[in-house]
Amino acid sequence: DAGVIQSPRHEVTEMGQEVTLRCKPISGHNSLFWYRQTMMRGLELLIYFNNNVPIDDSGMPEDRFSAKMPNASFSTLKIQPSEPRDSAVYFCASQVDGALYEQYFGPGTRLTVT
Amino acid sequence: SNSVKQTGQITVSEGASVTMNCTYTSTGYPTLFWYVEYPSKPLQLLQRETMENSKNFGGGNIKDKNSPIVKYSVQVSDSAVYYCLLGGPCMEYGNKLVFGAGTILRVKS
Repeated sequence: DAGVIQSPRHEVTEMGQEVTLRCKPISGHNSLFWYRQTMMRGLELLIYFNNNVPIDDSGMPEDRFSAKMPNASFSTLKIQPSEPRDSAVYFCASQVDGALYEQYFGPGTRLTVT
Repeated sequence: SNSVKQTGQITVSEGASVTMNCTYTSTGYPTLFWYVEYPSKPLQLLQRETMENSKNFGGGNIKDKNSPIVKYSVQVSDSAVYYCLLGGPCMEYGNKLVFGAGTILRVKS
């Protein structure tokens, strides 16, 4: 398996633009997580899905952030409009259902908003 | 509520042994994960401690328990960020993990 796939790996955009980050989880994993990593806050859980349904989105910082999982093999995290403070590395992770199993992380998308 | 605390940064010389602490508070029966993040690489699982193989067997509500990870004879290539994560079958929100802030390990040659 190729592991968790994220695209793009790097994104540079101007303030006010819409940004869409993409994630393909490992086949057979039914939980998917979006995290944000910054120097100030470390790793933060933004939202997670189980069987394509959003379970907990309490970590989503503002209404400018939205996430979807239309099917078991694809998820998006959208920021509209983007702001410089959104600059961070965004990780996607997937997991087999069951809290004893590890999460597998994607390589991350480094977002820079100028 | 569940929480995890980690030491911020450790700097050692090659060949030394390093103990990185993870102090957690948990309601329920936790699984503790250690992940490592090498530069430009995805997070990788280092080890997993479950109720069955941990010293917490028989517990239920745990307060300020330390579950460290020890690395012996470290090399420069061990320089990375080490995260401690708390998960478990009885935590609220199901599979949600609680992250520590991470320990930055710097190994000098």
